[in-house]
Parts: sequence; C-alpha cells; structure tokens
Amino acid sequence: GAGVSQSPRYKVAKRGQDVALRCDPISGHVSLFWYQQALGQGPEFLTYFQNEAQLDKSGLPSDRFFAERPEGSVSTLKIQRTQQEDSAVYLCASSPRLAFQETQYFGPGTRLLVL
Amino acid sequence: DQQVKQNSPSLSVQEGRISILNCDYTNSMFDYFLWYKKYPAEGPTFLISISSIKDKNEDGRFTVFLNKSAKHLSLHIVPSQPGDSAVYFCAASGNGNEKLTFGTGTRLTIIP
Repeated sequence: GAGVSQSPRYKVAKRGQDVALRCDPISGHVSLFWYQQALGQGPEFLTYFQNEAQLDKSGLPSDRFFAERPEGSVSTLKIQRTQQEDSAVYLCASSPRLAFQETQYFGPGTRLLVL
Repeated sequence: DQQVKQNSPSLSVQEGRISILNCDYTNSMFDYFLWYKKYPAEGPTFLISISSIKDKNEDGRFTVFLNKSAKHLSLHIVPSQPGDSAVYFCAASGNGNEKLTFGTGTRLTIIP
C-alpha cells in the first residue's frame, strides 16, 4: 500500500516568506507526527496529532510554526516569516495507534532552504 | 541535553562480517526502542524495535539487544551486505508519550 507522502520535496524560500508543507499519512493511521532534522543531526520532535486533535506541540521552536490536521487525515505545517535557521528537512510520520507501543512510519521529507 | 546518544559517527565493516551499532540513553522512563535506517534524500525506514520487557529481539539478519541496567542497546547485523550501507538512527519513547527521541546517527559503510 501507499506510504506516507510529503510535498513539496524541496522548497527554496526567501527570508521572511511564509511556507506550507503538506503530509499525507498512511490511510487509516490515527497518529501523525512532525519532526525537524538539521544537517548532521537526528530528527527532533515538533508536534503530534491524534486524529484532528493536536495533543503535543511542545517541540515547535517558535510561534512562527503552526500545524493543523483539520479532518484527521492530511496535515499541514506552516512556517511564517521564515528565517535562515529554519533550513532543515521536515519529516512527517504516522502510526496506526492500535497498540500502546507503535512503530512510526516516515515520509521522504521536505527539504527547506531559506536564503 | 542529549537523551539518546550514538557515540560513533561512522563505522566501516567488511562484507560478510558482523556490524555492531551502539546506542546509550539517559532517560529511565524510556520503554520502547527502535532502529531506523536512512538513505540519502529518503525518510527513515523502520528496521526493528524492542520493548523494555525484553532483552533481545531478532528479525532475520537484524538483532537488537537491550541492557536496561546499563541503559544501552545495540543493533547487530550479520552477515553485513553492501546494501546495508546507510545512516542508522536509534530512537526511544516512553512514559505514555509516543514522540520519539533520536540519536545523532551512525554512518555504516560496508566494504565489498
């Protein structure tokens, strides 16, 4: 079946521009996660949804970052007034949440470069 | 504060031999551990996981060992194959929280 998909795969933005990154999770997956991966580092947690409810946004680095999942399926991560330090790969993951300990399945990521 | 550490940034292993990748953690609330493999320009791919109630889990060529008292886990790949060349990330979750905390990764190179 289809895995997690993300679009766009690459995005170049000028400093100060707003960007929107899309994630299509695996069909039927309840949980959806966003991670940020800087060059040479491991992914770092940004935010978590269970269906349409955003249960944890403790990893969002500033109020310029906003995520939504209005119908409990597709999610969008929006970054307002982008800064150079926002340059990173943004990864989306989903899990079925059928059991307490679940494997998260990742998409290919969106590579954001802010000039 | 790095709660999950992979102290070896890189590792080279001869094809056919055993690859051993190590991971240490500091948060005693972690109770679920995963290994992911990542190729360039792709997302992490799940390899194998282990719950804290076990000390070993095996899947084909991949075995994960967990030593809770030492807060240490390792991934063994045997025999190593050229297609295993990738960056390997250790990740952990716990305390009823599904979010994953990742290490910084180990780049594994299999030498033909």
